[in-house]
Amino acid sequence: GAGVSQSPSNKVTEKGKDVELRCDPISGHTALYWYRQSLGQGLEFLIYFQGNSAPDKSGLPSDRFSAERTGGSVSTLTIQRTQQEDSAVYLCASSLGSGTTNEQYFGPGTRLTVT
Amino acid sequence: GDSVTQMEGPVTLSEEACLTINCTYTATGYPSLFWYVQYPGEGLQLLLKATKADDKGSNKGFEATYRKETTSFHLEKGSVQVSDSAVYFCALADNDMRFGAGTRLTVKP
Repeated sequence: GAGVSQSPSNKVTEKGKDVELRCDPISGHTALYWYRQSLGQGLEFLIYFQGNSAPDKSGLPSDRFSAERTGGSVSTLTIQRTQQEDSAVYLCASSLGSGTTNEQYFGPGTRLTVT
Repeated sequence: GDSVTQMEGPVTLSEEACLTINCTYTATGYPSLFWYVQYPGEGLQLLLKATKADDKGSNKGFEATYRKETTSFHLEKGSVQVSDSAVYFCALADNDMRFGAGTRLTVKP
């Protein structure tokens, strides 16, 4: 079946502009995660959605970052007033549930470049 | 808070060499431990996992044992292949997910 998809695959934007990144999780997966992968860095947790519960936003680096998940499915990560340090690959993952043993399935990522 | 520390790379090996990538963790609870792999041009995918102490995860010739006493989950393979060239991430899941920085492995023929 279809895996996690993300769009766009690449995004180049000017400093100060807003961007929206989209994630389509695997159908039926209730948990959805956003991560950021900077060059030479590991995966930095950003935000986590589980079903209809309030999201865990503890990883968002600043108030310029926000995310929503509509209808328990598609999620959008928005970065306002982008800065050059926001340049990274943004990864989305989904899993069947929030249990610690559940495997996360990752999308291919969106490479964001802020010029 | 919870964290994962893994061996820095890059690691370059010849085909059929032995591989060990070290991973240690700190956690307040009883996390599950994972190794994820990212092949060139592909997304991350689960390689193996272990959910409790002394469990051994294995897949594609790779193994890792959950060692609570040393808080470690080292990745091992007895004979690497060129196709194993990838970036390997150690991760733990407790209240949330934490990933290590990744270790790039290059296997030369």
